Amino acid sequence: ETGVTQSPTHLIKTRGQQVTLRCSSQSGHNTVSWYQQALGQGPQFIFQYYREEENGRGNFPPRFSGLQFPNYSSELNVNALELDDSALYLCASSLGQGANEKLFFGSGTQLSVL
Amino acid sequence: DQQVKQNSPSLSVQEGRISILNCDYTNSMFDYFLWYKKYPAEGPTFLISISSIKDKNEDGRFTVFLNKSAKHLSLHIVPSQPGDSAVYFCAASGTGSARQLTFGSGTQLTVLP
Repeated sequence: ETGVTQSPTHLIKTRGQQVTLRCSSQSGHNTVSWYQQALGQGPQFIFQYYREEENGRGNFPPRFSGLQFPNYSSELNVNALELDDSALYLCASSLGQGANEKLFFGSGTQLSVL
Repeated sequence: DQQVKQNSPSLSVQEGRISILNCDYTNSMFDYFLWYKKYPAEGPTFLISISSIKDKNEDGRFTVFLNKSAKHLSLHIVPSQPGDSAVYFCAASGTGSARQLTFGSGTQLTVLP
């Protein structure tokens, strides 16, 4: 059974650029969530996708967008990067969208915006 | 507005003793609570959870206690082992279709041999 994998592991961008982060869900999982973890803080919910549809969104601006593909892999896109976007971006998959479904996290992508 | 708070950034405990990690929440709509453990360069891994209809849940060395009236939960690890050294995050979720977790800022636990 393959776990949640994210790519790339590290990324350096400059302010104003655009970035795409990728995530492969754990086998059999149809729900993916993205979280942003700033230094010294806990992960903060960005959005969730269930069967290719956005299924909930946290307090993030529209320049944060996502996609989920038929094989349940996912992308997080961030436009017009700002310095405060520097963070660890975590992807998590689950078997379903129910309240008690366990989330399985990837190791994250460390994004630095200069 | 921090809805889930972990007021102790760090905790050191001797091997074999009890570790107690605390978490407070403010949102009355939260009805499911979880603890995640995170090692450096790895994603958080699920440890234990508790529903608001219970006040205690045990899994081996790990026990979570929930005090709804105080909006407080705690994680007890007995006995603590050096391999337990990690950052522990408390998280909470409410009713709704999206599995949105609200995390605390974490507590770095160090178990000394």
